Amino acid sequence: DIQMTQSPSSLSASVGDRVTITCRASQTITNFLNWYQQKPGKAPKLLIYAASSLQSGVPSRFSGSGSGTDFTLTINSLQPEDFATYYCQQSYSTLQTFGQGTKLEIK
Amino acid sequence: QVQLVESGGGVVQPGRSLRLSCAASGFTFRGCGMHWVRQAPGKGLEWVAVISYDGSNKYYADSVKGRFTISRDNSKDTVYLQMNSLRIEDTAVYYCAKDYSSSWYYMDVWGKGTTVTVSS
Repeated sequence: DIQMTQSPSSLSASVGDRVTITCRASQTITNFLNWYQQKPGKAPKLLIYAASSLQSGVPSRFSGSGSGTDFTLTINSLQPEDFATYYCQQSYSTLQTFGQGTKLEIK
Repeated sequence: QVQLVESGGGVVQPGRSLRLSCAASGFTFRGCGMHWVRQAPGKGLEWVAVISYDGSNKYYADSVKGRFTISRDNSKDTVYLQMNSLRIEDTAVYYCAKDYSSSWYYMDVWGKGTTVTVSS
């Protein structure tokens, strides 16, 4: 199975900050990498697909980059509603896997 | 609007079975792959299974292979997850999710989830 490793596991930041979350795959997944946001008690929400494509309706302060094994999710100018847990997910393999999550907290 | 509604969760003893359902509306169900994803209490997301648009291809996480079966009824716009030989570690919120493609690419719509508790 392809293992997905996110870093950091948790992150404290302030409103207005720029933050970057990293996701690394155990083998190449080309650009089959998606990012989701989850708030407590809610279902996940798709943010970014195919490594860098912004899902319709998602604010442009979210962006994704990378290919192969290394990927990043960047949030520019953090807003109060962005404090949540973020997951990467690979869909390269028929056995899909998520990263362990990155919890973004208010400093 | 596009909607997925899961049902069938509950409390069940170890070794027993349960069938989850996910009713879809607002999109062309027969054209989309469908997933089940679960989340144990206080833990991260775990992909469970996927089924292609016509049911011809199905894949499972190693943790559930041989015990869980994903299926779909395109005449009812519903996807199912039959869970047999349930274990304590299967306790989780189970989400169904729609794939953008006819097989698997990314999950663009999610249900609110149904809770399964496996306990003696």
